Amino acid sequence: SQQGEEDPQALSIQEGENATMNCSYKTSINNLQWYRQNSGRGLVHLILIRSNEREKHSGRLRVTLDTSKKSSSLLITASRAADTASYFCATDAGFQKLVFGTGTRLLVSP
Amino acid sequence: DAGITQSPRHKVTETGTPVTLRCHQTENHRYMYWYRQDPGHGLRLIHYSYGVKDTDKGEVSDGYSVSRSKTEDFLLTLESATSSQTSVYFCAISESGGYNQPQHFGDGTRLSIL
Repeated sequence: SQQGEEDPQALSIQEGENATMNCSYKTSINNLQWYRQNSGRGLVHLILIRSNEREKHSGRLRVTLDTSKKSSSLLITASRAADTASYFCATDAGFQKLVFGTGTRLLVSP
Repeated sequence: DAGITQSPRHKVTETGTPVTLRCHQTENHRYMYWYRQDPGHGLRLIHYSYGVKDTDKGEVSDGYSVSRSKTEDFLLTLESATSSQTSVYFCAISESGGYNQPQHFGDGTRLSIL
């Protein structure tokens, strides 16, 4: 069963704009990870945020985590056409496994 | 990119035939995973391995079996393929498998069962 659900399912923006996507989950977690998937490719790990962290940055990416609301957001600032991809959140499901959400499809137009 | 190779990349086969997908890694990572990706379902875990000859079931394991005789290879077998197993299959690896570890993915196998 799905632990995380991303919102929105699809997002279309212009280059230079910011893109925000959200992930909600159901049970308590140890950490939450975000992945990107370009069309026809495998997932690529972007960032991991631990349950005791509220915010984390990596380049143009900013991730927040609100464990009281069981939600996380991924912000991509100054989007580029190359950011066009699907983005997935993943939460731990036991020590050895991850559970992935259904993803947000981001389209960045030039 | 992590050294993960999936083969074949594309396969079309008929219902009832056996199919084996291969995942090969050059990273010497202990954990290996097989997922399937379907529209509306995201990625779902089929089976995973935490060492040579050590495997366990995931969320959607019915109809699939796996084997790992060497650290670098993880095989996924559909004993008698069904149309519901048409999907894109991804292999992933993780150094230690812990929840604080990222997973690294291959580029997938697109499997069509007619």
